[in-house]
Amino acid sequence: DGGITQSPKYLFRKEGQNVTLSCEQNLNHDAMYWYRQDPGQGLRLIYYSQIVNDFQKGDIAEGYSVSREKKESFPLTVTSAQKNPTAFYLCASSIYRGPETQYFGPGTRLLVL
Amino acid sequence: AQKVTQAQTEISVVEKEDVTLDCVYETRDTTYYLFWYKQPPSGELVFLIRRNSFDEQNEISGRYSWNFQKSTSSFNFTITASQVVDSAVYFCALSESNYGQNFVFGPGTRLSVLP
Repeated sequence: DGGITQSPKYLFRKEGQNVTLSCEQNLNHDAMYWYRQDPGQGLRLIYYSQIVNDFQKGDIAEGYSVSREKKESFPLTVTSAQKNPTAFYLCASSIYRGPETQYFGPGTRLLVL
Repeated sequence: AQKVTQAQTEISVVEKEDVTLDCVYETRDTTYYLFWYKQPPSGELVFLIRRNSFDEQNEISGRYSWNFQKSTSSFNFTITASQVVDSAVYFCALSESNYGQNFVFGPGTRLSVLP
């Protein structure tokens, strides 16, 4: 079955620690996205990538970093510079960037210890 | 700038009632796309519909229907004969063709269908 997987489902971060969230897709989509969702709020774009080895900042990129070394993978690192990382993180992909339907993974919930 | 408003924060209905979720958008583009997604308690966003700005025909899919009105910049979603499994947060989203092309999501409407 084609789809998007995210791991882990829950992640705990200690103060000053960097953590990496995994996102993998087997839909052969060119574009991938990372969103942050806070309780009771909509989704905000962190980073997106249109193609391998290329990525762009979204609305709230500070304190986050990404890489896109393979078409299937788009990991997100939450760095220690992100002072309020507790949130639900959703990865998505679309066939191309633009007004194409985005398909979402199951999400990772990040909590700070 | 693009913006999506979902004025209803939470709605509760009793099973089998009809319910309409409102979505109002703002855009400077003449070509744009509107989306609805469902987020059940599991957290994953499930795609429901995509509609372009040139197609104002209403859409029906089973118990779901969508009413797109450019004159009022609205793209409302109606669930007929609601069921407990419809309980979720529903998001409306907008993507412009020419400006930015990123999705803008509304804040969501939490629907609770009571048995």
